[in-house]
Amino acid sequence: QQQVKQSPQSLIVQKGGISIINCAYENTAFDYFPWYQQFPGKGPALLIAIRPDVSEKKEGRFTISFNKSAKQFSLHIMDSQPGDSATYFCAASKPSGSRLTFGEGTQLTVNP
Amino acid sequence: GAGVSQSPSNKVTEKGKDVELRCDPISGHTALYWYRQRLGQGLEFLIYFQGNSAPDKSGLPSDRFSAERTGESVSTLTIQRTQQEDSAVYLCASSPDLTDTQYFGPGTRLTVL
Repeated sequence: QQQVKQSPQSLIVQKGGISIINCAYENTAFDYFPWYQQFPGKGPALLIAIRPDVSEKKEGRFTISFNKSAKQFSLHIMDSQPGDSATYFCAASKPSGSRLTFGEGTQLTVNP
Repeated sequence: GAGVSQSPSNKVTEKGKDVELRCDPISGHTALYWYRQRLGQGLEFLIYFQGNSAPDKSGLPSDRFSAERTGESVSTLTIQRTQQEDSAVYLCASSPDLTDTQYFGPGTRLTVL
């Protein structure tokens, strides 16, 4: 059962544009929602994460928007750069120390 | 400091052979996770170790898969009688006690011929 659905599967953005990736979850027990960035041949690296007690979190050019009632969250990358070209995964987990349930990933390409 | 390391980085094996994959977590991290990533897909949870607690093995796809962890250090994932569908990147992650952030290693790419 796919508990975290991610879209789009791939995304092409021009340099300076905004990249938006969306995720929806089913399990209301989830209380931690990270986004991971993965470059080819590397393991995923934590980019930014949010908990359901806030609706938005911003770190530099990266923002997570969270809608608890809709069970959706999204990643916004402002002023997208070619160096942001990577695969992005949303994930969710239950309280501390639990496994992460990942979305299927979005391959982002930022054209110069 | 040193991150999570995994070895080997690549492993090619023949169908039916056993393989062992190794993970060295970040020193002091009590939680250790194994995930599998098939080509073009998200990560699937396999198994989780937390301190001295019994491991959560609920993600292991069959009894051909097993994992061990020595104290709070090295972990080994063993796949017996490998099948072609086992071909994937196997990723290890570790986490400090009682936090959610998981730090991933570079993975082991397993190819079963």
